[in-house]
Amino acid sequence: DAKTTQPPSMDCAEGRAANLPCNHSTISGNEYVYWYRQIHSQGPQYIIHGLKNNETNEMASLIITEDRKSSTLILPHATLRDTAVYYCIVRVEGGNKLVFGAGTILRVKS
Amino acid sequence: DAGITQSPRYKITETGRQVTLMCHQTWSHSYMFWYRQDLGHGLRLIYYSAAADITDKGEVPDGYVVSRSKTENFPLTLESATRSQTSVYFCASGSLLNTEAFFGQGTRLTVV
Repeated sequence: DAKTTQPPSMDCAEGRAANLPCNHSTISGNEYVYWYRQIHSQGPQYIIHGLKNNETNEMASLIITEDRKSSTLILPHATLRDTAVYYCIVRVEGGNKLVFGAGTILRVKS
Repeated sequence: DAGITQSPRYKITETGRQVTLMCHQTWSHSYMFWYRQDLGHGLRLIYYSAAADITDKGEVPDGYVVSRSKTENFPLTLESATRSQTSVYFCASGSLLNTEAFFGQGTRLTVV
């Protein structure tokens, strides 16, 4: 699975959009971009995934660049409860391994 | 109740003891995973399983043993616990038809 690079931490004001970047320059054609988050002491939670088209669900939007070498997770209206570590992962859909990197610590501040 | 459950939630054991962490899921997911997370660090994959009787090593398998005799259970055994295995352990499950993995609440293991 391709490796990802994320900033170690980011701050966001409550109510504002949080834009979390991820670089995955070695991504393969059949690898998806997945996002998970981990709120303090809990198990990770799936957020969203995509291949090449932009995706949106009730939690977030995922914007993938045309060359697929980077992506951005957008939380449209961040709340204090969105403070967590966000992990960007690339893997084959339904692939057998799910390998986490260091992630980005997002701090939402009032 | 449907879901994925880990037991025990907290465990203290002595160096050299054998300890088994249990993981049970009710969805009949084919894939199951074990991770460890040390203070201030990310999750590291210990072992994973694609189906009953099929297991494979992850990033940090040394000192751990797994088995998968039934689809719904994936126990993790520390055959001779060491202090370096003090950690929070997370179990997860997923399927080919379902793109997301579901995680348990975690087991906090302390080896003294």
